[in-house]
Amino acid sequence: AQSVTQLDSQVPVFEEAPVELRCNYSSSVSVYLFWYVQYPNQGLQLLLKYLSGSTLVKGINGFEAEFNKSQTSFHLRKPSVHISDTAEYFCAVILPSGGYQKVTFGIGTKLQVIP
Amino acid sequence: KAGVTQTPRYLIKTRGQQVTLSCSPISGHRSVSWYQQTPGQGLQFLFEYFSETQRNKGNFPGRFSGRQFSNSRSEMNVSTLELGDSALYLCASSLLREGADTQYFGPGTRLTVL
Repeated sequence: AQSVTQLDSQVPVFEEAPVELRCNYSSSVSVYLFWYVQYPNQGLQLLLKYLSGSTLVKGINGFEAEFNKSQTSFHLRKPSVHISDTAEYFCAVILPSGGYQKVTFGIGTKLQVIP
Repeated sequence: KAGVTQTPRYLIKTRGQQVTLSCSPISGHRSVSWYQQTPGQGLQFLFEYFSETQRNKGNFPGRFSGRQFSNSRSEMNVSTLELGDSALYLCASSLLREGADTQYFGPGTRLTVL
């Protein structure tokens, strides 16, 4: 079974500073990888996803993530954060053949952008 | 296109009662999935419906059930509510039912069980 670890439950960062949110996964087979963002009182919104191909994936709102197979990581990065990026971020993995019942979410990382 | 809508947004119930939550997917989407989100357990998959059939089910007791209608709208029902059922229930829809397909989430229904 696959699992997802988000190492940081909270990440405070000053506005306009860079940020990296870490995600590690374990799986014996290839997986699809996702990052979602959840703003207060809202559902999840897809930031980006890795299915195959280029290991650097660009998403919305200036975010990008890099798939590293050898380190089984899929860290999310942004070079300069804004106050509006304050939210909770979830990493998720899914087996290509598994359907949504096989989706596994990380516990989430709360990003707090400090003015 | 209108997004995924969920009603009601907030619910307060007491132990032992039952509750029905509703989800209207994005027009044209045929797959609807339900998730439970709690601070302790995070996001957990409940079940998925496609073309009115439950295709997949997570590890939840039989008190949790659902259905999908011919217009793809979905409802989930929780009977004999317990305090631990307090959570944000999220619905997500997608065009297909493949893992690579993007899921679009609704704002959720926050259920409080007293």
